[in-house]
Amino acid sequence: DAKTTQPNSMESNEEEPVHLPCNHSTISGTDYIHWYRQLPSQGPEYVIHGLTSNVNNRMASLAIAEDRKSSTLILHRATLRDAAVYYCILRDGYDKIIFGKGTRLHILP
Amino acid sequence: GAVVSQHPSWVICKSGTSVKIECRSLDFQATTMFWYRQFPKQSLMLMATSNEGSKATYEQGVEKDKFLINHASLTLSTLTVTSAHPEDSSFYICSAAHEQYFGPGTRLTVT
Repeated sequence: DAKTTQPNSMESNEEEPVHLPCNHSTISGTDYIHWYRQLPSQGPEYVIHGLTSNVNNRMASLAIAEDRKSSTLILHRATLRDAAVYYCILRDGYDKIIFGKGTRLHILP
Repeated sequence: GAVVSQHPSWVICKSGTSVKIECRSLDFQATTMFWYRQFPKQSLMLMATSNEGSKATYEQGVEKDKFLINHASLTLSTLTVTSAHPEDSSFYICSAAHEQYFGPGTRLTVT
């Protein structure tokens, strides 16, 4: 799997938008960009994925750079329940997932 | 949506004993399931790929004789930690459906 680079941790205030960056400069043309998150003491949860175009769902938005070498997960209005570790992962089809260290998001009340 | 369950959610066992963890897909069939291990403050580490009706595929460095995987049906995979030791204490997580769905995890403590 191509590698991704994420900040170790980020902080955000409750009810404000959060932008979680991910760099993947060695991404290949067939790699999809996936985001998962893991709440404390739980298994990971799928958030969103995309290939080239920006994507929106009920949980978040995914903004993908035109050259696909970076992407940003956007939580439009963070709540305390969004405090988790967020993982940015590249997958070619249904290749097994290899998790990196992710970004630990702290939400301040 | 699809759900993956694990049982038990937590278990404490004595050193030298074996413990079995179940992973079930509740409303779909899964020919392939994945097993991960996660130590405190660390990321998930893929241990093995469980294939229904055939042998599991283990990642490099994972002892297949210590971590026995059985995928006897399309909805159930089991991970047995044999002769457990304190260093096997960890959070074990399974996933299914091309890893879109993860189980809630099983916390194993070996005393």
